Amino acid sequence: AQSVTQPDIHITVSEGASLELRCNYSYGATPYLFWYVQSPGQGLQLLLKYFSGDTLVQGIKGFEAEFKRSQSSFNLRKPSVHWSDAAEYFCAVATKKNTGTASKLTFGTGTRLQVTL
Amino acid sequence: EAGVAQSPRYKIIEKRQSVAFWCNPISGHATLYWYQQILGQGPKLLIQFQNNGVVDDSQLPKDRFSAERLKGVDSTLKIQPAKLEDSAVYLCASSLLQTWIGEAFFGQGTRLTVV
Repeated sequence: AQSVTQPDIHITVSEGASLELRCNYSYGATPYLFWYVQSPGQGLQLLLKYFSGDTLVQGIKGFEAEFKRSQSSFNLRKPSVHWSDAAEYFCAVATKKNTGTASKLTFGTGTRLQVTL
Repeated sequence: EAGVAQSPRYKIIEKRQSVAFWCNPISGHATLYWYQQILGQGPKLLIQFQNNGVVDDSQLPKDRFSAERLKGVDSTLKIQPAKLEDSAVYLCASSLLQTWIGEAFFGQGTRLTVV
């Protein structure tokens, strides 16, 4: 069964500093990977996704993530964090069923990002 | 384009009462998901519909939870009777069949408190 691990429950960075949020997955075949952001009281918004091809993917709000098959990782990065980036970040993995039906998203437990001014 | 609509936004009930949540997905989205997000945890899939058929309900506590998606559009999720541990945010999401990979669009959720 697929699973996602986000080892950092809470991270604090200063505004303007760089950010890296870790995500490790467990899945036998090629995974389809996502990062979502959730602001307080809001639903989840997709930041970026990896399906295939270039292992470095660009997302919205200046975020990027790199797929490393050898490390089973899909870490999220941002060169310079803004105070508005404070939120909960979720990594998720999806699969495709043999029937071709839509996939199931499995989420990690999330990393809460705090930004200090 | 309009997003995923959910109602109500908040609900407080006593244990053993029943409750229902409603979701209207993005127009044209064939796949609909209900997720349960307990405080401090990631969302957990409860049930997944493709059109009006159930694709995955393996984590749905069927003794108390039920869901339906009539006509392949709107969906309702019901809990009867509710338990204290059902306190959570219930998220509805939808995705296009063509993008089966599940680029899901989420609603704002319904926060349920069971007292």
